[in-house]
Amino acid sequence: QVQLVESGGGVVQPGRSLRLSCAASGFTFSSYSMHWVRQAPGKGLEWMGVISYDGNNKYYADSVKGRFTISRDNSKNTIYMEMNSLTAEDTAVYYCARGASGYVVGDYWGQGTLVTVSS
Amino acid sequence: QSVLTQPPSVSGAPGQRITISCTGSSSNIGAGFDVHWYQQLPGTAPKLLIYGNNNRPSGVPDRFSDSKSGTSASLAITGLQAEDEADYYCQSYDNSLSGYVFGTGTKVTVL
Repeated sequence: QVQLVESGGGVVQPGRSLRLSCAASGFTFSSYSMHWVRQAPGKGLEWMGVISYDGNNKYYADSVKGRFTISRDNSKNTIYMEMNSLTAEDTAVYYCARGASGYVVGDYWGQGTLVTVSS
Repeated sequence: QSVLTQPPSVSGAPGQRITISCTGSSSNIGAGFDVHWYQQLPGTAPKLLIYGNNNRPSGVPDRFSDSKSGTSASLAITGLQAEDEADYYCQSYDNSLSGYVFGTGTKVTVL
């Protein structure tokens, strides 16, 4: 069965960096694009970015472009998101999701990892 | 910030039919990009509910259906059940933003 497990969340001070990971299993990881989506406390879903199946193409939401970087290691069935210059507005649960055809962000989602930016 | 607008809340009695609208623009729904719907039960991750033109992943009951017209889409839930209490989000692609977009989200309450 498809499984996505995020890790790397926690409490981080403003201005610092954090790297999230998403380990995938149960499918041919190298054949799928992967997305990151976040949800601030009590708020809606916000798309962060996507990385193509081979890692050659990456696209980001304007809100994080230049600060967040998505990468993947197909040998480890894992994607990453490096987040820099964090602010309180980045406090959220971060989900990874498996992309699907037709511009579907996620036919499968992880359980999420909480990032809290606070001094 | 969201470019897809949904009503904040919709409620209905058990067994009733409710609809949730998702209003976009000419750069997303109106441009012909598919609309997808997600269900998020309290305290859990979103789950794909409907994708493309009224397609349901395995296990999703046919009480859920969607439609699209112009720059808007709608999710219908018939035979409303207590287990349908959740937040619902529409999602599409926007060629002006060159990115994926979610709706503002709708909380469904079963009275």
